[in-house]
Amino acid sequence: DVKVTQSSRYLVKRTGEKVFLECVQDMDHENMFWYRQDPGLGLRLIYFSYDVKMKEKGDIPEGYSVSREKKERFSLILESASTNQTSMYLCASREPGLALYEQYFGPGTRLTVT
Amino acid sequence: KNEVEQSPQNLTAQEGEFITINCSYSVGISALHWLQQHPGGGIVSLFMLSSGKKKHGRLIATINIQEKHSSLHITASHPRDSAVYICAVILNYGGSQGNLIFGKGTKLSVKP
Repeated sequence: DVKVTQSSRYLVKRTGEKVFLECVQDMDHENMFWYRQDPGLGLRLIYFSYDVKMKEKGDIPEGYSVSREKKERFSLILESASTNQTSMYLCASREPGLALYEQYFGPGTRLTVT
Repeated sequence: KNEVEQSPQNLTAQEGEFITINCSYSVGISALHWLQQHPGGGIVSLFMLSSGKKKHGRLIATINIQEKHSSLHITASHPRDSAVYICAVILNYGGSQGNLIFGKGTKLSVKP
């Protein structure tokens, strides 16, 4: 079974703090993704990575950065957390290649910025 | 306008009812996913379709590529089916890296 794990299920941070969200997958997948999910907006892609040290911006990259130093680990960084980054964050991984490979999701991290 | 539209947004059903959730999209796609998200957050893939129909237990998914429409049906619904159901499409051009575009989800609640 593919397993995608995220470092925390719930996280509370203060405005201005630097926040790290970690994601690890155990299936040697090349592609990894970070999404945020907000009520009424659905899932939106923040960043994705198709290989170690490779990254691409998604639809809403502003205020975020990512790091992929090892194939199994993809980190999302909030350089200076703001209240509008309060959200559910979901990580996913997938085999490379287009279209037909399903994405495997982690359990999500519910981040609250106060 | 969203590229992927789901209806209804919210659905309440009695146990045993037949349920249909619809997904319409406005772009050319190579495949479509139906995903399930239970309270607590984790998302699992139910189906991936590029044509026709697939069935798994009480769940049936259909897609009509010409009409740009897919449906997810649940027969003999049960309270454990209560979840958010999300439709996601994969665009059929290479520049997208095969990334998913998501609908906003349908929240289903099945009452005993």
